[in-house]
Amino acid sequence: DSGVTQTPKHLITATGQRVTLRCSPRSGDLSVYWYQQSLDQGLQFLIHYYNGEERAKGNILERFSAQQFPDLHSELNLSSLELGDSALYFCASSVGWDTQYFGPGTRLTVL
Amino acid sequence: EDQVTQSPEALRLQEGESSSLNCSYTVSGLRGLFWYRQDPGKGPEFLFTLYSAGEEKEKERLKATLTKKESFLHITAPKPEDSATYLCAVQPVLFSGGYNKLIFGAGTRLAVHP
Repeated sequence: DSGVTQTPKHLITATGQRVTLRCSPRSGDLSVYWYQQSLDQGLQFLIHYYNGEERAKGNILERFSAQQFPDLHSELNLSSLELGDSALYFCASSVGWDTQYFGPGTRLTVL
Repeated sequence: EDQVTQSPEALRLQEGESSSLNCSYTVSGLRGLFWYRQDPGKGPEFLFTLYSAGEEKEKERLKATLTKKESFLHITAPKPEDSATYLCAVQPVLFSGGYNKLIFGAGTRLAVHP
């Protein structure tokens, strides 16, 4: 158990819908990262938040957005969902620039 | 361009048959190299961090080593429970305005059979 929690574990929805994924970092970690893992793409970095502020964006679509709240939990919002958005979404957290610890993930299925 | 290549893509071993996984990288400057283990449908589990060429780290049947261009994950006398995908990630040196970026390889799928 890494100490990073993610909810829900599974999410099934339809194309065009909007969903919210939630992540709670390890106690004391100020950084939260979001990754997408699909079968043909491997682990792709989406976005990084540090202590409530966005620090960097990776391969994140404009339909996706995220935020980190004062209690340091983070939410990833995915809208206008397409079939190709079906994937595993992972959250990771770290202390500063050190090792990133990953959560168990949310499996999103778009039908 | 920063790049990470892992080989082989898949590896099948008999229980007790030792082997090595390779991670080759190209980065402008390396701050750290990370190994993770990932079971199907689960999150990557942290194994090791290596920071400088010549460094070695061990944990049970696993040993990770680092050179200036590649890292190896040696598996000694593997057991079926070592079956998983092993991911390598590099963290480039941070320049002004940089961030804690991890670049992942595609992974090596290891299957250990009794």
